[in-house]
Amino acid sequence: DAGVIQSPRHEVTEMGQEVTLRCKPISGHDYLFWYRQTMMRGLELLIYFNNNVPIDDSGMPEDRFSAKMPNASFSTLKIQPSEPRDSAVYFCASSLMFGATRETQYFGPGTRLLVL
Amino acid sequence: GQQLNQSPQSMFIQEGEDVSMNCTSSSIFNTWLWYKQDPGEGPVLLIALYKAGELTSNGRLTAQFGITRKDSFLNISASIPSDVGIYFCAGQTASGSGGSNYKLTFGKGTLLTVNP
Repeated sequence: DAGVIQSPRHEVTEMGQEVTLRCKPISGHDYLFWYRQTMMRGLELLIYFNNNVPIDDSGMPEDRFSAKMPNASFSTLKIQPSEPRDSAVYFCASSLMFGATRETQYFGPGTRLLVL
Repeated sequence: GQQLNQSPQSMFIQEGEDVSMNCTSSSIFNTWLWYKQDPGEGPVLLIALYKAGELTSNGRLTAQFGITRKDSFLNISASIPSDVGIYFCAGQTASGSGGSNYKLTFGKGTLLTVNP
């Protein structure tokens, strides 16, 4: 299996621009997670989906952030408009199950976003 | 929200030495997880702990789920250069109807450097 695939791996944009991050989970995984990693705040869970349905988006920082999962093999995280404080590494992860079952989350390589 | 205090923030050791790091919280967790992140990559799960008091080993790694469910430690014995990386603890809780809404909180990480 190719693992979790994220694109782009690096993104440099200017403040105010729209940014779209993409994720392809591992085939057959029912759960998909979006995380943000910064030096100051560490690794934060932004949102997760179960069977393409958003379950918990309480970690999404503000309305400028939105995430969709139109089908089982694709998800996007969009920032519109982007701001310099959004600069971070954004990870996508997927798993077969989540919670009480003994299931591992598999992380993608991340997208390194720099907003100038 | 829930917070995990992970310590130490960084460690610089000689090859062959043993390493110990820990996480504490004011909140109770149902599951404790330990991840390792290599530079430019996403976190990879090392050990998962599901019961208070549980002690689990994975090769040279040993982790324990604290009796109070508010803490966990990770030990690495006989460190080698490839142990270099950032180690994260993560605590998982369940809430909502039937405990179906899971939340994973990460510590800030411990940066481990091993001097050959």
